[in-house]
Amino acid sequence: GENVEQHPSTLSVQEGDSAVIKCTYSDSASNYFPWYKQELGKRPQLIIDIRSNVGEKKDQRIAVTLNKTAKHFSLHITETQPEDSAVYFCAATGGGSYIPTFGRGTSLIVHP
Amino acid sequence: SQTIHQWPATLVQPVGSPLSLECTVEGTSNPNLYWYRQAAGRGLQLLFYSVGIGQISSEVPQNLSASRPQDRQFILSSKKLLLSDSGFYLCAWSLPSGRNEQFFGPGTRLTVL
Repeated sequence: GENVEQHPSTLSVQEGDSAVIKCTYSDSASNYFPWYKQELGKRPQLIIDIRSNVGEKKDQRIAVTLNKTAKHFSLHITETQPEDSAVYFCAATGGGSYIPTFGRGTSLIVHP
Repeated sequence: SQTIHQWPATLVQPVGSPLSLECTVEGTSNPNLYWYRQAAGRGLQLLFYSVGIGQISSEVPQNLSASRPQDRQFILSSKKLLLSDSGFYLCAWSLPSGRNEQFFGPGTRLTVL
């Protein structure tokens, strides 16, 4: 089955800096890669996603890049703000399965 | 538009007591349904998923069970809770075609004492 590794587990930045979270996956047939943000005590919510026919997608301060050859994808947050502080999960859906495999999460802390 | 409900929001139960958590989805038909558990500060552990009424797949063998008595209703149960069952339980749904966004419910915080 699919295996997703996510790094780092914790990321601490100053307000205004950029943050990058990286995920690798194992199943070359995976074709859908969402990113979820989970604030403390709340539900995870989709912030951006990318499909395997696209290399990059951007939405204001967040972007996702996908390298199918290397089987990794990354979340980029620019001009970070304290409200970006949360746990971020990547996921990959692969092969014949519609069940997403989640990474273990990255706790992003943005210091004012 | 679609919405997903979970109840109760919080629950404190003694060890050995039964459990029933309910999830309902509105505004869509034949969704894929999922139950996840999240221990404090940890990731999302998939417990069960369902592609249709009465169709349940278990990911992790344990003292929990799930049922889907109606198209948009998903229930998580236990006959006897363990301390290790404490956590944040999330129900989610996705379109039946697969490889799409999951929409999570607000969650149930379960504490087993």
